[in-house]
Amino acid sequence: GAGVSQSPSNKVTEKGKDVELRCDPISGHTALYWYRQSLGQGLEFLIYFQGNSAPDKSGLPSDRFSAERTGGSVSTLTIQRTQQEDSAVYLCASSAARGTEAFFGQGTRLTVV
Amino acid sequence: QQQVKQSPQSLIVQKGGISIINCAYENTAFDYFPWYQQFPGKGPALLIAIRPDVSEKKEGRFTISFNKSAKQFSLHIMDSQPGDSATYFCAASIKTGANNLFFGTGTRLTVIP
Repeated sequence: GAGVSQSPSNKVTEKGKDVELRCDPISGHTALYWYRQSLGQGLEFLIYFQGNSAPDKSGLPSDRFSAERTGGSVSTLTIQRTQQEDSAVYLCASSAARGTEAFFGQGTRLTVV
Repeated sequence: QQQVKQSPQSLIVQKGGISIINCAYENTAFDYFPWYQQFPGKGPALLIAIRPDVSEKKEGRFTISFNKSAKQFSLHIMDSQPGDSATYFCAASIKTGANNLFFGTGTRLTVIP
């Protein structure tokens, strides 16, 4: 596709359930970022993938959060045993290389009820 | 620890006025400073970016001023328009090395007609 694609666009889940959020980056982009944006707040870094290097997981808020990137392309962010405080918009971005423009997807709005 | 500090949190400007948003950083290794614009329900989009080898960059009504010694940079929006009403994020990263893109907390700009 022409841009970063995220799915689903909206997800409502019950507290305690696991969820998977998907990100399809722009083809050929080596860097991929996940951010979390709570209502009216800034962008909270979660995890960063760069090529075949070990990901920077320093932003993951708890061990309930994990992410993987298969084949250097599609990434999945998994949240286990979701809590109400996990409700937010989860944004994915990709860039061609370090220090270049990051293109964002539209985000996945997660609501935990 | 907030790598990039942004102010003000919100800003109201009359149509035709100048909007100024400020950011500061501590890590002198940062060498790429983009500004992102985000409209409600959308992902952030790159507006303008600067590297530390120049003190100013202008694109249309948008100008970044960069002060390397003070470790500060700012966004100026000249002749502000109601269509500029959005949330603006400054960011910083290191071009080389396995680092991610650090964002400021955002400024919600409202331009009054």
